[in-house]
Amino acid sequence: EVQLVESGGGLVKPGGSLRLSCAASGFTFSNAYMSWVRQAPGKGLEWVGRIKSKTDGGATDCAAPVKGRFTISRDDSKNTLYLQLNSLKTEDTAVYYCTKGLIQDFWGQGTLVTVSS
Amino acid sequence: DIVMTQSPDSQAVSLGERATINCKSSQSVLYSSNNRNYLTWYQQKPGQPPKLLIYWASTRESGVPDRFSGSGSGTDFTLTITSLQAEDVAVYYCHQYYSSPYTFGQGTKLEIK
Repeated sequence: EVQLVESGGGLVKPGGSLRLSCAASGFTFSNAYMSWVRQAPGKGLEWVGRIKSKTDGGATDCAAPVKGRFTISRDDSKNTLYLQLNSLKTEDTAVYYCTKGLIQDFWGQGTLVTVSS
Repeated sequence: DIVMTQSPDSQAVSLGERATINCKSSQSVLYSSNNRNYLTWYQQKPGQPPKLLIYWASTRESGVPDRFSGSGSGTDFTLTITSLQAEDVAVYYCHQYYSSPYTFGQGTKLEIK
């Protein structure tokens, strides 16, 4: 059974940092493209970024609003995806989901990040 | 960036009737080398993560009821729910994964009339 479990969310002040984790199981994590998608309260879905599998080069790509502030990485030995969030802004407040695969066929339950003074 | 525009923003349909949601992309999401449209549809119920319904624009995900179908190619796509059930009340999103940044439609809220 596929499982994606996000953790690391919480309340942080503007300008602060957080690291989110996504623990994966039930599939061959090392072969999978993985992504982060966020959803601000009461709003729609926003793609944050993606990391390819290492066999496909392991490249990362992020959306413009987070480029230079957020970093996606993976540890295939731990079956874990990460999202490092730096220089956080109030508009980064959202539930952050990790998703599996190019077609994002499975989503975790999400972790809430609240940026507020 | 590819802009995804859904219509309508919300829709009320009677139980047992057909619901149709449209999605238009600002440029084609059809990859000519494999003739695949890089377009998915998701269903999101309150308090839950999105659930994949359709990928490659028209392939139903395993376990999704066959009353859900996807169609279209290039820039114009449709999600059709035949015979609407009460459990289909949700927000539906289209999403392109053709080119980065991958983008979502704004969502269509489907309710029972």
